[in-house]
Amino acid sequence: QSVLTQPPSVSGAPGQRVTISCTGSSSNIGAGYDVHWYQQLPGTAPKLLIYGNSNRPSGVPDRFSGSKSGTSASLAITGLQAEDEADYYCQSYDSSLWVFGGGTKLTVL
Amino acid sequence: QVQLQESGPGLVKPSETLSLTCTVSGGSVSSGSYYWSWIRQPPGKGLEWIGYIYYSGSTNYNPSLKSRVTISVDTSKNQFSLKLSSVTAADTAVYYCARRLRYGGGIDYWGQGTLVTVSS
Repeated sequence: QSVLTQPPSVSGAPGQRVTISCTGSSSNIGAGYDVHWYQQLPGTAPKLLIYGNSNRPSGVPDRFSGSKSGTSASLAITGLQAEDEADYYCQSYDSSLWVFGGGTKLTVL
Repeated sequence: QVQLQESGPGLVKPSETLSLTCTVSGGSVSSGSYYWSWIRQPPGKGLEWIGYIYYSGSTNYNPSLKSRVTISVDTSKNQFSLKLSSVTAADTAVYYCARRLRYGGGIDYWGQGTLVTVSS
């Protein structure tokens, strides 16, 4: 059971917009800790997609955006592309501990 | 370009100790700007944080593994290591070493990961 809760799966057609939620509690996201998002393509290591709730590392397309409110955070992907099909993980902190969501599998229809 | 590379046995017997090393290139484990961490992923499952070490040697571990985990750093070799004792089949996973900016950043560099299987 992960500390952060994500939907197991989401799907969308090419060109559409999808969102992935990450729900925590008052001891992690709600306590003001940053949320980061990672994309994991099949058979590869995770890649940092969003850091500090809403910032994109260099090279990440602006189709990806992050937000945070209260005890939850969200990752939005617009203009969905086939190459976006992957697992997505949120990550935050619970006091000094690092915590992950259980992951969401994005299927591009 | 920073690169991290895990190395160690791919097969460990139950009750023995899993030992992995992460070699860092293009960056220094002596930098005070980063945490050097281990994260694992059981086959078909999600990510689990194991712990991290700071260049000074201070550590922080996942409470669920704390009694079995030791992370150490060797600044002379630019490496950091993981030891997990008394392993069982539940410890079978891909083990990643990774770097996180100490302030304000996510885990920005990951090793490619190494599969460790616990089996007799």
